[in-house]
Amino acid sequence: GESVGLHLPTLSVQEGDNSIINCAYSNSASDYFIWYKQESGKGPQFIIDIRSNMDKRQGQRVTVLLNKTVKHLSLQIAATQPGDSAVYFCADQDPSGGSYIPTFGRGTSLIVHP
Amino acid sequence: DGGITQSPKYLFRKEGQNVTLSCEQNLNHDAMYWYRQDPGQGLRLIYYSQIVNDFQKGDIAEGYSVSREKKESFPLTVTSAQKNPTAFYLCASSYDGYNEQFFGPGTRLTVL
Repeated sequence: GESVGLHLPTLSVQEGDNSIINCAYSNSASDYFIWYKQESGKGPQFIIDIRSNMDKRQGQRVTVLLNKTVKHLSLQIAATQPGDSAVYFCADQDPSGGSYIPTFGRGTSLIVHP
Repeated sequence: DGGITQSPKYLFRKEGQNVTLSCEQNLNHDAMYWYRQDPGQGLRLIYYSQIVNDFQKGDIAEGYSVSREKKESFPLTVTSAQKNPTAFYLCASSYDGYNEQFFGPGTRLTVL
């Protein structure tokens, strides 16, 4: 993944707003995509995933959109809450070669203001 | 209560010493992984194992070693050959490598 400086991209929103976090991936052979949430000092937690035969998947308050044409993934969080403040990582997996190793993005820091 | 555990949470090491980080899972997952995370950075893969008694180097394996003698355990040794070992280390597991990963709480290693 990309690595430029020590500062993560940051998204600041007000409580109750909808949040959209974007992710670009580079491998056109990737067919599995995952979003993780990492709170400060903790390990990442799985939020939602999507396979390449879909372009949208919904969970509880979250939606993932996949645009394979432009290799873009987004995570939408509805009615953002202070507890959603965290770093969000996308990951993609390419099954060719037989090793299922995800490629993680750098992450986006979401800050929710009460 | 299934999950993945790492110990210790904080670890301090003097330069020139080897140290082993523990990772245990009771999820019956085949695949296990070790990542390193530096401040403001993403996850970098150190080693991974898709099955017992087999493991592969990741992107930054130099100065690290692992073993996978049991399905539930995947310890990581940070050797004195690792020049900049201070970091947050994360262990993860996956059912078959082609599903989401479950992460442990992490071990923060500081070299004094």
